[in-house]
Amino acid sequence: EVQLVESGGGLVKPGGSLRLSCAGSGFTFSRYTLNWVRQAPGKGLEWVSSISGNSRFINYADSLKGRFTISRDNAKNSLYLEMIGLRDEDTAVYFCARDPRVFGFTEAFDIWGQGTMVTVSS
Amino acid sequence: DIQLTQSPSSVSASVGDRVTITCRASQGISTWLAWYQQKPGKAPKLLMYSVSNLQSGVPSRFSGSGSGTEFTLTVNSLQPEDFATYYCQQTNSFPYTFGQGTKLEMK
Repeated sequence: EVQLVESGGGLVKPGGSLRLSCAGSGFTFSRYTLNWVRQAPGKGLEWVSSISGNSRFINYADSLKGRFTISRDNAKNSLYLEMIGLRDEDTAVYFCARDPRVFGFTEAFDIWGQGTMVTVSS
Repeated sequence: DIQLTQSPSSVSASVGDRVTITCRASQGISTWLAWYQQKPGKAPKLLMYSVSNLQSGVPSRFSGSGSGTEFTLTVNSLQPEDFATYYCQQTNSFPYTFGQGTKLEMK
């Protein structure tokens, strides 16, 4: 079964740091671009970041540049999101999601994890 | 950044009804538009990509159309499992953006 499973969420104080992980299985992990998408409580979806299969191409939402770092370890079939300087407004469920296109431009995200909750609060 | 505006924000309908949701982009995005369905507490589920391509396993009562800046998602003959929140997404350029969502509620 093709799946993504996030972990690493939790409660963190403002200004704190957290590292999220996303484990992939059931597909050739290294071939696919992966993304982080977040959803604040009761709000809509917000794309966070994207990383290509070989890590050559990385993009971030403008508002998050400098605080969030996406990375991956293909040997471990794992995607990461390092978050520093966390703020109240970073409170959200964080999903990892796969771009199904191995070649060419992204059309959509076909596989999503179940999400991991990050709560930033003092 | 490209903004996506969905209308309506919410809609009430009954089983068997036909519902159309519109997504307008702040600039042309060709056909780089996808639609997702999300139920409470769950991850989004891909319904449609490149405007009108049905994702594998998605019922044919879902259809999409449009190009440029205006797009629609239509659900024919609503089923009980279709009541959820729907989001459009553009992948024309970074940062990828989503519409604010349309909540489809049972009348």
